[in-house]
Amino acid sequence: DQQVKQNSPSLSVQEGRISILNCDYTNSMFDYFLWYKKYPAEGPTFLISISSIKDKNEDGRFTVFLNKSAKHLSLHIVPSQPGDSAVYFCAASAVGSSNTGKLIFGQGTTLQVKP
Amino acid sequence: DTGVSQNPRHKITKRGQNVTFRCDPISEHNRLYWYRQTLGQGPEFLTYFQNEAQLEKSRLLSDRFSAERPKGSFSTLEIQRTEQGDSAMYLCASSFEGDRFTKLFFGSGTQLSVL
Repeated sequence: DQQVKQNSPSLSVQEGRISILNCDYTNSMFDYFLWYKKYPAEGPTFLISISSIKDKNEDGRFTVFLNKSAKHLSLHIVPSQPGDSAVYFCAASAVGSSNTGKLIFGQGTTLQVKP
Repeated sequence: DTGVSQNPRHKITKRGQNVTFRCDPISEHNRLYWYRQTLGQGPEFLTYFQNEAQLEKSRLLSDRFSAERPKGSFSTLEIQRTEQGDSAMYLCASSFEGDRFTKLFFGSGTQLSVL
């Protein structure tokens, strides 16, 4: 069963516009959520995270929103840049696992930012 | 370079052969993880170590798989009698135990192809 789902395999946006990547989860025990970015031939790189006690976390051009009642989170990138083109993974960890590193990943969304 | 290092980057083997991968974590990190990623999917947790102790293993880790971290520094992942279904990217990650919420730092992975 896929506990973390990224239903959009790909997304294409114009440079300078907003990119919105979505993620849904099913396990109500998840209390920590992360976004990773992955370029070809490289490992995933941590981007931003949010704990379940918050509904928003912002870091520069990147903002993550968490809607616990809907079991949904999203990553907003504003403004989008061509260098943001990559695969983005949503990940979650459950209560008790948040400080062990056992993360459950979504399938990933490939973002293409066109110049 | 003080990041997570994995060797080899690529491995092609014939079905039935044994393979071994190595991971060198970030030096001050005492936790080390192995994940596996197949095409179109996100990374899947396999196992993790705290220092030299292997604390958790996923049911994905069959009897043909064994991971070690003998001195609490580098780790090896061995796959015996490889099968075509073992073809995947094997990712190693490390983290520091003291973090309230764990962020994983990934290596570039070892791409295994079983012919």
